[in-house]
Amino acid sequence: DAKTTQPTSMDCAEGRAANLPCNHSTISGNEYVYWYRQIHSQGPQYIIHGLKNNETNEMASLIITEDRKSSTLILPHATLRDTAVYYCIVRVAGGGNKLTFGTGTQLKVEL
Amino acid sequence: DAGVTQSPTHLIKTRGQQVTLRCSPKSGHDTVSWYQQALGQGPQFIFQYYEEEERQRGNFPDRFSGHQFPNYSSELNVNALLLGDSALYLCASSLAAGGGYTFGSGTRLTVV
Repeated sequence: DAKTTQPTSMDCAEGRAANLPCNHSTISGNEYVYWYRQIHSQGPQYIIHGLKNNETNEMASLIITEDRKSSTLILPHATLRDTAVYYCIVRVAGGGNKLTFGTGTQLKVEL
Repeated sequence: DAGVTQSPTHLIKTRGQQVTLRCSPKSGHDTVSWYQQALGQGPQFIFQYYEEEERQRGNFPDRFSGHQFPNYSSELNVNALLLGDSALYLCASSLAAGGGYTFGSGTRLTVV
């Protein structure tokens, strides 16, 4: 699996958009970009994934650059409950392929 | 629809002892993966079970072993516990055919 690079921490004001960047310059053509988050003392939670097109669901939007070497997770209206560690992972799709976690980005949403 | 269930939630063991952790996958899922998460680190892949066999393994010693039952539930066994085995152990289930992972809340193991 390709390696990812994320900032260690970020702060965001409640109600504002949180934009979390991820670099994955060695991504292969068949690797997807996945985002998970982990709220303190809980298991990781799936957020969104994409291959090359931008994706949106009820939780977030995923913007992938045209060269696929980086992406941004956008939480459009961050709340205090979005405070968590956010992990960007690249992997080949398929239920048998493991997730390789880095250290992620600690997002702190404040009043 | 029940998600992934892990037991126990917390456990304290003495160095040298053995421990068994249990996981029930999300309804409909057939694959179970185990991860170890040390404090301040991301989860690290231990192994994955499908059709009652270990399909993939991460960089963990043989002291870590597992099992999957016909009902897809799974156990993680760790022998000869070391202080460094203290961690949050996460179980994740998925469908071999595709789709994402669903994680349990984990078992917090403390080795003293």
